Amino acid sequence: DTAVSQTPKYLVTQMGNDKSIKCEQNLGHDTMYWYKQDSKKFLKIMFSYNNKELIINETVPNRFSPKSPDKAHLNLHINSLELGDSAVYFCASSQQMGGGQYFGPGTRLTVT
Amino acid sequence: AQSVTQLGSHVSVSEGALVLLRCNYSSSVPPYLFWYVQYPNQGLQLLLKYTTGATLVKGINGFEAEFKKSETSFHLTKPSAHMSDAAEYFCAVSEGGYQKVTFGIGTKLQVIP
Repeated sequence: DTAVSQTPKYLVTQMGNDKSIKCEQNLGHDTMYWYKQDSKKFLKIMFSYNNKELIINETVPNRFSPKSPDKAHLNLHINSLELGDSAVYFCASSQQMGGGQYFGPGTRLTVT
Repeated sequence: AQSVTQLGSHVSVSEGALVLLRCNYSSSVPPYLFWYVQYPNQGLQLLLKYTTGATLVKGINGFEAEFKKSETSFHLTKPSAHMSDAAEYFCAVSEGGYQKVTFGIGTKLQVIP
């Protein structure tokens, strides 16, 4: 049973396209996150939702828009993709804000 | 504002030797502290966490960490390294509540046979 799942695992697309990444957790957690990990492995928080409410919205271009249809799902839509968006995007969840997080396997986005 | 400093982006140890990965933090309130491990092409996995209570925290895979408030440190140790411990390790801090978790830059552990 996968705790936090993401689709797709790999995403290769051209500049200017719009794409979405989906995330689902079956742990019954209240809080979900999106992180971006760059080529140097630096992990940066992008968004956090608690019970479908946006709690953390870091300095992220407004081309990135998260959506949480319910507590178990947090999707990430990216408009007008740029070369600099190439990275691995991780979804995570936790029982509560500030608690230990469970990470998905990541989505490797490559923009050409 | 909270922050994390991991000393040493790369650490090499011999198989069977002590593993010591260093982490220092900065926080304006009593922190929550975490260590995560990331194997190649995988997501992060929680090794252990400190919130309150006992300052020596035991985690999975034989790892442990000690919260030292006076030194603002949360170093990760394992008495005897295994080849399977080779991975990237991240220290993280949170101020609890609705505050974000801040991750360190990571330490890549290499285990030499």
